[in-house]
Amino acid sequence: GQQLNQSPQSMFIQEGEDVSMNCTSSSIFNTWLWYKQDPGEGPVLLIALYKAGELTSNGRLTAQFGITRKDSFLNISASIPSDVGIYFCAGQVLQGAQKLVFGQGTRLTINP
Amino acid sequence: ETGVTQSPTHLIKTRGQQVTLRCSSQSGHNTVSWYQQALGQGPQFIFQYYREEENGRGNFPPRFSGLQFPNYSSELNVNALELDDSALYLCASSLVLPGGSYGYTFGSGTRLTVV
Repeated sequence: GQQLNQSPQSMFIQEGEDVSMNCTSSSIFNTWLWYKQDPGEGPVLLIALYKAGELTSNGRLTAQFGITRKDSFLNISASIPSDVGIYFCAGQVLQGAQKLVFGQGTRLTINP
Repeated sequence: ETGVTQSPTHLIKTRGQQVTLRCSSQSGHNTVSWYQQALGQGPQFIFQYYREEENGRGNFPPRFSGLQFPNYSSELNVNALELDDSALYLCASSLVLPGGSYGYTFGSGTRLTVV
């Protein structure tokens, strides 16, 4: 079945540093989504990517949809304490149920 | 515009019991999907409902079933609960159009503990 490999699994950084995480897959996806999840909450959408090669920003966040449709990355610039949480990538195929396939998550910890 | 709301927020059940979880979709959305998220894992797709019918199912046994109502709200039912069913159950609504699926929005989830 479809699987996403998300890396790194965890990151420990200093406040103000930039962060980069990525997802790869052996399958092609039509849409890539990046979510952030805080403890006890559902995932909150950060960025949605709909076209191969698309580069999209949302404030300090930037994400790109890989040309091959099999990968995506998320960058966070100048990290702040509220960036702490778990980040998930999700791929979506526009067939059938159009379900989301999630990566394993990247846990971000920031030292002030 | 209201978001996706789920109830209850927490639930404790005994092995073998049955449970019903509820979800109200975001205004303007026509599709509801349910996911199971085990501790430390990404969400796993259970099934999706569109026009009150199941529209795709993940690798979950038949004791996981659901309903979608005319107002697009939904229920997830799990029979014969097992200890491994303990997880965060997430509902997501979206707007499915001929060109794709948009606005995939999650609720805060129901934390189910089976003892």
